[in-house]
Amino acid sequence: GAVVSQHPSRVICKSGTSVKIECRSLDFQATTMFWYRQFPKQSLMLMATSNEGSKATYEQGVEKDKFLINHASLTLSTLTVTSAHPEDSSFYICSASGTGFNNSPLHFGNGTRLTVT
Amino acid sequence: GDSVTQMEGPVTLSEEAFLTINCTYTATGYPSLFWYVQYPGEGLQLLLKATKADDKGSNKGFEATYRKETTSFHLEKGSVQVSDSAVYFCALMGRGATNKLIFGTGTLLAVQP
Repeated sequence: GAVVSQHPSRVICKSGTSVKIECRSLDFQATTMFWYRQFPKQSLMLMATSNEGSKATYEQGVEKDKFLINHASLTLSTLTVTSAHPEDSSFYICSASGTGFNNSPLHFGNGTRLTVT
Repeated sequence: GDSVTQMEGPVTLSEEAFLTINCTYTATGYPSLFWYVQYPGEGLQLLLKATKADDKGSNKGFEATYRKETTSFHLEKGSVQVSDSAVYFCALMGRGATNKLIFGTGTLLAVQP
């Protein structure tokens, strides 16, 4: 079945630095990728939707200059948390869908636990 | 807009007990409905889905029936195991949407031996 790989699984960084998270589709072409954020004991909040080769669409309240999303190829999307602060500490999860996946379940990565000290 | 409401947890059960996790939705048209499971420290895995009214999704002993009249998609299992302990998310995807999932808040299930 379709597999989505997310890397790194855990990252600890100092306040003010930037962190890049990668999301790869391993056996299909992901025309659309989604980035979610999950706070402790809460649901997933959609941050943005990215389509290959175009700018990401951000949800209301998500700072596009802080959470940079690049979807340069059909198998890779990256989320960069710029100038990270402790309040950015969270669990970030990507998901991907490809052509012919209409109304089919998205495939999720295993998530990245970000801790900003 | 579209939304999903789940019963709050945590739900604590003994092994072999019957499980129900309630889920209701609000959506225009006829969305597809999903249950996802998240084990500790991991991402989400699709548990089951239903794409039209009266469909029953099932997997690993879990079942959920798409009820249009009550706009519900309750998750059930006849006999839970310790290994079922996880967070369960109900979700919907609207018709014509670009595969955008809307999640409920999740329900933590803890099964005790």
